[in-house]
Amino acid sequence: SQQGEEDPQALSIQEGENATMNCSYKTSINNLQWYRQNSGRGLVHLILIRSNEREKHSGRLRVTLDTSKKSSSLLITASRAADTASYFCATDANSGYALNFGKGTSLLVTP
Amino acid sequence: DTEVTQTPKHLVMGMTNKKSLKCEQHMGHRAMYWYKQKAKKPPELMFVYSYEKLSINESVPSRFSPECPNSSLLNLHLHALQPEDSALYLCASSQGLAGPGGAYEQYFGPGTRLTVT
Repeated sequence: SQQGEEDPQALSIQEGENATMNCSYKTSINNLQWYRQNSGRGLVHLILIRSNEREKHSGRLRVTLDTSKKSSSLLITASRAADTASYFCATDANSGYALNFGKGTSLLVTP
Repeated sequence: DTEVTQTPKHLVMGMTNKKSLKCEQHMGHRAMYWYKQKAKKPPELMFVYSYEKLSINESVPSRFSPECPNSSLLNLHLHALQPEDSALYLCASSQGLAGPGGAYEQYFGPGTRLTVT
């Protein structure tokens, strides 16, 4: 079953702007991951944040986790057209065996 | 090699056909997964294999039959599918099954686009 819910469902920005996506989940987690999916392709892992971490950076990506609010955010700074994709948060489920994906945010970055 | 490969890329099959999807990884990963993804929806887990043994079957209909011949290969055998089974089928692998408190990133293949007519 899906646990994460991304917000917004769709986001359209111009190159150079920042994009922020949010993810909320319902039950306690051990970790949360963000994935990117280009249209009709496989998913690419972006970043993993553990429940005892509050913030993590990777290049132009910044992820925050607030376990008290059961929410996470993904910030993409200085966006590029190549960032156009769907972004999914995924939480661990079944004692960590598998991932529950949220509904995703569709990001469009226009030149 | 950090790649997961899937064949075929596209598959069109009738409801009476039998076909197989194949997935391969050479990263030494011991866990492999099948997901089903409908258009504009997130991936939904179907099966998980760990050390070539089926660990999780998410109540998938028996017309989908997974097989893990060895640690690098994962197959999904299809038989008597329905049009609603048309979807993108994604294979993924990870170092292992993380278990409570742990986590492994998953590496995904590009998927097989399946159309059932």
